[in-house]
Amino acid sequence: EVQMLESGGGLVQPGGSLRLSCAASGFTFTNYAMGWVRQAPGRGLEWVSTIRDTGGATYYADSVKGRFTISRDNSKNTLYLQMNSLRADDTAVYYCATVKGLVDPFEYWGQGTLVTVSS
Amino acid sequence: QSALTQPPSASGSLGQSVTITCTGTNSDIGRYNYVSWYQQDPGKAPRLMIHDVTQRPSGVPDRFSGSKSGNTASLTVSGLQAEDEADYYCSSFAGSNSVIFGGGTKLTVL
Repeated sequence: EVQMLESGGGLVQPGGSLRLSCAASGFTFTNYAMGWVRQAPGRGLEWVSTIRDTGGATYYADSVKGRFTISRDNSKNTLYLQMNSLRADDTAVYYCATVKGLVDPFEYWGQGTLVTVSS
Repeated sequence: QSALTQPPSASGSLGQSVTITCTGTNSDIGRYNYVSWYQQDPGKAPRLMIHDVTQRPSGVPDRFSGSKSGNTASLTVSGLQAEDEADYYCSSFAGSNSVIFGGGTKLTVL
């Protein structure tokens, strides 16, 4: 059974940093690109970032470019999102999801972790 | 890049059909056949329902179908059932290594 478990969310002050993790199991992690999608409270879905299966290429939404860094450790079947210079509008539930490539759909999703940016 | 445009709400009676539209531009939906639809129950993670405009993943009922015409994609749910009540989101590859989602449509089954 495919499972993704996000962790690392919480309350952080504006300008602060946070690192999210997504532990994957039940599938061959190295066969998939991976992505992060977020959802602000009461709002729609927003693509954040995608990383290729080898980690050799990364892609970001303009809203997070230069502030967020996606990475993965294939030896640990784990995806990461390092978030710096956080702003109030980064407040959201962050989901990790499997994706075969940038043009492909997000197939399997974790349950999400809530990030709240507030003073 | 602006979000794809979806109606905030849609409704239909049990057993009837309803269609949800998703309007983009000739830089995303109009250019690529990489449109997906997701179903989301309150407090839950999204579930993939349609990909590549018309393709249904294994396990998705064939009551769900997708189509596209020009810059607008559509999701049709036939034979509405109570469990279809949820939020639905479209997405599209938008070129320049980016992905864009719609604002979401709340489907109510009457």
